[in-house]
Amino acid sequence: TQLLEQSPQFLSIQEGENLTVYCNSSSVFSSLQWYRQEPGEGPVLLVTVVTGGEVKKLKRLTFQFGDARKDSSLHITAAQPGDTGLYLCAEGTSGTYKYIFGTGTRLKVLA
Amino acid sequence: DTGVSQDPRHKITKRGQNVTFRCDPISEHNRLYWYRQTLGQGPEFLTYFQNEAQLEKSRLLSDRFSAERPKGSFSTLEIQRTEQGDSAMYLCASSPPGGELFFGEGSRLTVL
Repeated sequence: TQLLEQSPQFLSIQEGENLTVYCNSSSVFSSLQWYRQEPGEGPVLLVTVVTGGEVKKLKRLTFQFGDARKDSSLHITAAQPGDTGLYLCAEGTSGTYKYIFGTGTRLKVLA
Repeated sequence: DTGVSQDPRHKITKRGQNVTFRCDPISEHNRLYWYRQTLGQGPEFLTYFQNEAQLEKSRLLSDRFSAERPKGSFSTLEIQRTEQGDSAMYLCASSPPGGELFFGEGSRLTVL
């Protein structure tokens, strides 16, 4: 069974600081998605990465897919209070259309 | 059609009662998913449909849970004889072929 571990579980930082959160798998990802979820809402897709070593940027967010496609990271530069939320990684299971989510990193950015 | 809608948003019930949740996906999406999420955790896969066919059901789902998508459009998730451990947020998502998941706002269940 594919397991997605995210770290850290919780992160509280001051506005303007940089941070990195991680997603690790027990086996090779076929593809990986990152979502952000705000309280009382469903998760919203941020990015999909497919190729080992791939780097994608979305404004102040940088997503990296490990060369071996077993890990991924999300780096936020100059965090803002609006970045507060639950960050989730999700793997699209090869051969099916089932998506398995990680344990999540809860980020709080203090003004 | 502005997104995935779920009803009701909140449900409080007594242990042993049956509850049903409805999900209306984005109209052109052929895949529909149900997830369960407890506080501070990631969504846990329950089941998914392609059109009206239920393609996979989690082994975590007991026989008290059943989901249907009778005409390949809306879906219902029924929980029979609810238990306190069923208290959670039930999320529905839909996707087009090969596309991302679009989630609804969820149905929060509290079992007293």
